[in-house]
Amino acid sequence: DTAVSQTPKYLVTQMGNDKSIKCEQNLGHDTMYWYKQDSKKFLKIMFSYNNKELIINETVPNRFSPKSPDKAHLNLHINSLELGDSAVYFCASSQDESGRALWPEQYFGPGTRLTVT
Amino acid sequence: AQKVTQAQTEISVVEKEDVTLDCVYETRDTTYYLFWYKQPPSGELVFLIRRNSFDEQNEISGRYSWNFQKSTSSFNFTITASQVVDSAVYFCALSVANRDDKIIFGKGTRLHILP
Repeated sequence: DTAVSQTPKYLVTQMGNDKSIKCEQNLGHDTMYWYKQDSKKFLKIMFSYNNKELIINETVPNRFSPKSPDKAHLNLHINSLELGDSAVYFCASSQDESGRALWPEQYFGPGTRLTVT
Repeated sequence: AQKVTQAQTEISVVEKEDVTLDCVYETRDTTYYLFWYKQPPSGELVFLIRRNSFDEQNEISGRYSWNFQKSTSSFNFTITASQVVDSAVYFCALSVANRDDKIIFGKGTRLHILP
């Protein structure tokens, strides 16, 4: 069984469009995250949610909005896509009740490669 | 400020050789955690190890071993008798509980194991 799944795996779209990436974890974890990995492989956290509550909200454009319908899902909506949004986006989860301590190991999804043309 | 430096951008070794990936971190906090993650060509991120700042004991897991030295702020990763399947990008990361609770990744080291 897949622990952390993301859909779609690949997403190609044009500038200005709005798109969503879905993430689901079946590990029973309390905290979920979104990371962006740029073309140079640099990983940077974007958001974290604990039990549907936003915990970390890094300096990302407000075109990016996470949505957590329940603690097993954390979706990422991106409005008015720009060329610079092209990257691989990783969802992750960890068993951390507080949502503030990122020292538990995180389990990552397979990534979604977003290409904006 | 916290920082993780992986000075080796890319390493190539021949299969069965031992290889060490360096990781140097910076933090003023006394409580922190260090991690290594592996990203194979398929792209997923795989957790390898987590160590806390109070446990300097070196760890060995099969062909993998980690050397944590607070005196030099290093957390190096050694693969013994490397195999082609070890080819991947390896990330070192640091998490400090008291500073926005962020996990900070190094830029990664791309490891090529040549047959």
